[in-house]
Amino acid sequence: AQSVTQLDSHVSVSEGTPVLLRCNYSSSYSPSLFWYVQHPNKGLQLLLKYTSAATLVKGINGFEAEFKKSETSFHLTKPSAHMSDAAEYFCVVRPYSSASKIIFGSGTRLSIRP
Amino acid sequence: GAVVSQHPSRVICKSGTSVKIECRSLDFQATTMFWYRQFPKQSLMLMATSNEGSKATYEQGVEKDKFLINHASLTLSTLTVTSAHPEDSSFYICSRGTSREADTQYFGPGTRLTVL
Repeated sequence: AQSVTQLDSHVSVSEGTPVLLRCNYSSSYSPSLFWYVQHPNKGLQLLLKYTSAATLVKGINGFEAEFKKSETSFHLTKPSAHMSDAAEYFCVVRPYSSASKIIFGSGTRLSIRP
Repeated sequence: GAVVSQHPSRVICKSGTSVKIECRSLDFQATTMFWYRQFPKQSLMLMATSNEGSKATYEQGVEKDKFLINHASLTLSTLTVTSAHPEDSSFYICSRGTSREADTQYFGPGTRLTVL
């Protein structure tokens, strides 16, 4: 069965320090992987996606993620956190075997300390 | 700019009434759209897949008679919560993909439903 696990429900960092949001997936096939961000009471915005091209994916707002097949991971990073990065982040997997149905992780709330 | 819109953004209704939520694809004719529900501090749960010109496909545990989905055109899908109860209060979000990026979903801004 396909699944995605976000290892931390809440991450708190100081402004200007690196951000690491962890995501592990389980998929029988080569999956597509995504990170979305959701600000309070808003819809989801696509940050970046991996679709079997380059394993290091660069997204918007300085975020990037690295696909590591051996570790079944797709962790999201940013070198320097900004106050505006405070939001909920979702790791999402689309199994190759599915048409467009996607599976959401439980989410990680990112807080930024001044 | 936004490629998916939802209306209304926020609705409050009395228990027992029905509420219709609209989801529009602004720049793409979407044969398939998706409806999700999100409870506070939880992830999104897929409710159903809306198919233009045919019946929606509901996920296990979602009552099709309670959550009526109509996808009458290639740019509009509607979700009607019938005989709403307080436990139906939630954040409802729709999404659609694209033909070029079939695996990428673009989400609407969501509708906050509160049932009193």
